[in-house]
Amino acid sequence: DGGITQSPKYLFRKEGQNVTLSCEQNLNHDAMYWYRQDPGQGLRLIYYSQIVNDFQKGDIAEGYSVSREKKESFPLTVTSAQKNPTAFYLCATDRRGTGELFFGEGSRLTVL
Amino acid sequence: SQQGEEDPQALSIQEGENATMNCSYKTSINNLQWYRQNSGRGLVHLILIRSNEREKHSGRLRVTLDTSKKSSSLLITASRAADTASYFCATDDPGDSGYALNFGKGTSLLVTP
Repeated sequence: DGGITQSPKYLFRKEGQNVTLSCEQNLNHDAMYWYRQDPGQGLRLIYYSQIVNDFQKGDIAEGYSVSREKKESFPLTVTSAQKNPTAFYLCATDRRGTGELFFGEGSRLTVL
Repeated sequence: SQQGEEDPQALSIQEGENATMNCSYKTSINNLQWYRQNSGRGLVHLILIRSNEREKHSGRLRVTLDTSKKSSSLLITASRAADTASYFCATDDPGDSGYALNFGKGTSLLVTP
C-alpha cells in the first residue's frame, strides 16, 4: 500500500543523546516535511525538502538536522542541542501542485 | 510561523448535533485547508478551499471562506461519536517559495452518544 512510514512509534532518550527518526514514503512525492507537535498545540515546522539533496529550515530548526539523499527518505536527527525535545514528531509529504499534505502516524519522543 | 487560530479550543456536543469551528488567519492566502487528527495519530486531510471560492462541501462537511474577514468555518452536520478528534486549519503563504503550511492550534471536538 502507498503511504508514509515513520519509525519508531515510541522512543525514549537520555539527555545528551542524539536520536534519529525515520520517515519513508512510497508515494513518489517530491516534497517532504517534519513538524513538531506539543500537547494542545498546533504543528510547528522543523525542516522541509522539495527535492533530493536540498532542504530548508523551518520555524524551529535549532537542535535538529536532516538529510535527503533519496526521494523516499527524509530522516530527522534530534541532537543534544535541542533543549526540550520531548514531543510528537510528524512527517508529511505533498503531491506537487495539489497543496494537500499526507502525514505519517508520528513518532513520540520522550527524554528521560 | 503559525497563522491560523481556531475557535473554540474545545467543543462538546451530542450525536446528531451540528459542530461548527472557526479559523482566523492574518495574511493573504492561496488556499485554506482543514485537517483532522485522532488522538495520537497523524493528520488526515479533509478539504481544501481556494481563495476565490466561498463555500465547499464534502459529505457531511461544509467549509466557508471569507477572505475579506480572513476567516473560515468548518461545519460538521449530524455529528457521530466517530467524529471525535482535533480539527486544524492550515494556510499557505504565497510569499513563501517553500510552500510549507502553517497550522493553528486546533479545536478539540468531543461527540458523546
